[in-house]
Amino acid sequence: GAGVSQTPSNKVTEKGKYVELRCDPISGHTALYWYRQSLGQGPEFLIYFQGTGAADDSGLPNDRFFAVRPEGSVSTLKIQRTERGDSAVYLCASSSAGTQGEEQYFGPGTRLTVT
Amino acid sequence: AQSVAQPEDQVNVAEGNPLTVKCTYSVSGNPYLFWYVQYPNRGLQFLLKYITGDNLVKGSYGFEAEFNKSQTSFHLKKPSALVSDSALYFCAVSGFSGGYNKLIFGAGTRLAVHP
Repeated sequence: GAGVSQTPSNKVTEKGKYVELRCDPISGHTALYWYRQSLGQGPEFLIYFQGTGAADDSGLPNDRFFAVRPEGSVSTLKIQRTERGDSAVYLCASSSAGTQGEEQYFGPGTRLTVT
Repeated sequence: AQSVAQPEDQVNVAEGNPLTVKCTYSVSGNPYLFWYVQYPNRGLQFLLKYITGDNLVKGSYGFEAEFNKSQTSFHLKKPSALVSDSALYFCAVSGFSGGYNKLIFGAGTRLAVHP
């Protein structure tokens, strides 16, 4: 079946602009996660959705970052007033029910470059 | 604070030889441990996980990992390396108190298998 998809695959934007990154999880998966991977580092957790609600947003670095999942399926990560330090690969993952110990399935990521 | 350490930036192995990629962790409570692999321009792929039970877990592509609670380690192993195993490997942990199912990743280890 189809895996996790993310669009766009690449995004180049100017400092100060607003961007939206989209994630389409595996069909039927109730849990959705966003991570950010900077060059040479492992992914860092940003936010976790269970259904439509954000169960844990402790990883969002500041209030410029926001994410939604209005219908419990597709999610959008929104970044306002982008900064060069936001440049990274943004990864989305989903899992079946969000229970402890469940493996997460990752999308290919969106590479964001802020110039 | 919870953390995962992968002490080797790169591991070099000759094809056909056994390989080990090291991982140690520091978390409160009983952890769930994962290994993921990342190929160029592709998303993270799940390899295997330890939840409970037998300390030796087997996963995809002939990989296995051994959980050692006393040494807080979860090293990835394969008896006979293939050139196609060359990739970036990440160890991750979840299941810690208050963490829901979010993953904390190590910085990654690049595995290079030489013909």
